[in-house]
Amino acid sequence: QKEVEQDPGPLSVPEGAIVSLNCTYSNSAFQYFMWYRQYSRKGPELLMYTYSSGNKEDGRFTAQVDKSSKYISLFIRDSQPSDSATYLCAMKESGYSTLTFGKGTMLLVSP
Amino acid sequence: EAQVTQNPRYLITVTGKKLTVTCSQNMNHEYMSWYRQDPGLGLRQIYYSMNVEVTDKGDVPEGYKVSRKEKRNFPLILESPSPNQTSLYFCASSSRVNGETQYFGPGTRLLVL
Repeated sequence: QKEVEQDPGPLSVPEGAIVSLNCTYSNSAFQYFMWYRQYSRKGPELLMYTYSSGNKEDGRFTAQVDKSSKYISLFIRDSQPSDSATYLCAMKESGYSTLTFGKGTMLLVSP
Repeated sequence: EAQVTQNPRYLITVTGKKLTVTCSQNMNHEYMSWYRQDPGLGLRQIYYSMNVEVTDKGDVPEGYKVSRKEKRNFPLILESPSPNQTSLYFCASSSRVNGETQYFGPGTRLLVL
């Protein structure tokens, strides 16, 4: 079983829809959970990060972590065409450790 | 402006011809990493460095070398490139205090013929 699983998509939605992106993981030592956004031909950029379980909201974006289920989600409200990108989840253990990335989900928001 | 720069951005080369991809960051970050990104495989870490003169292997280090002689620079060296190293390469950096926030460079697209 791979350490981090993420559906590659593509996920196509109309403008204004609520989008749900998800990752599951197997390593119970993961403590930090990140979402990166990657536009075509660009490097990934950090969108949100959460420590341990719980929710975090930033504008139209909400990140949720359920450590008991080893499941994390990113919700995008009122999705815009400019949200069209690949979204990568990433996780790490406490202290210095390397990031483990999901393979990314491609999101397409049509006008 | 805080940034990670990579050069070159695009490179076409032939099998066996040594090449170096440079990476530089201006944020005084301790940690730097190299990743490759391939369709269906996602981002995979090649090497990382926790500080000057401290480097370690990531998930896919075969065929690559790195060095960290200065804090700001972390070059990736392919001594004898092969076609299976055709990929999109990213350099990233982060601070020791805030290691979950990695700043990525713009990427280097490499084609080995």
